[in-house]
Amino acid sequence: SYVLTQPPSVSVAPGKTAEITCGGNNIGSKSVHWYQQKPGQAPVMVIYSDSERPSGIPERFSGSNSGRTSTLTISRVEAGDEADYYCQVWDSDDYVFGAGTKVTVL
Amino acid sequence: EVQVVETGGGFIQPGGSLRLSCAASGFAVSDNYMSWVRQAPGKGLEWVSVIYAVGLTYDAESVKGRFSISRDISKNTVYLQLNRLRAEDTAVYYCAKGSLHRYMDVWGKGTTVTVSS
Repeated sequence: SYVLTQPPSVSVAPGKTAEITCGGNNIGSKSVHWYQQKPGQAPVMVIYSDSERPSGIPERFSGSNSGRTSTLTISRVEAGDEADYYCQVWDSDDYVFGAGTKVTVL
Repeated sequence: EVQVVETGGGFIQPGGSLRLSCAASGFAVSDNYMSWVRQAPGKGLEWVSVIYAVGLTYDAESVKGRFSISRDISKNTVYLQLNRLRAEDTAVYYCAKGSLHRYMDVWGKGTTVTVSS
């Protein structure tokens, strides 16, 4: 089965840029989606189809996907961005999630 | 407003059964890909089952043969039948609206299933 690899944690200072990676075999050929989950809350989609932003998601959130790595970038990080972030792809009728990355705002 | 609301969770003994419901509003479940995703305490997201707009269903290997997804178009509701429950099925179960592009753009608040003797 397909495996997505994310770093367990990323720390970033307010106002700086956070990059969260999601690795997978030839992931560049797949469509990658990203979700934000704050403690005690349901996930929220922040990026779909590699780099598209749903309405209501700040422009500070962006995504890219190429080769073996997809990246979620959060620019000008704010305290409210502190959350768990999950990447997700579809592979052979399976929806696959990465293990998640905890973003800590210092 | 487009939303989904899950109900039906609870405390159940190992080997028991439960049926979760996902009531949709603001859109038709028959036009969308509807999924169930679960999250065990302190763990990440795990996809469980999906029902496509055409009615095809798929399940994760971990629940195949025990869980079953279905829908009632007249009630605009999706269900997840959980049978032969195990302790490791303990989780918050989320219902999510999806699309042809296989993302999940609307999530409910979840319903909690606790399997314990």
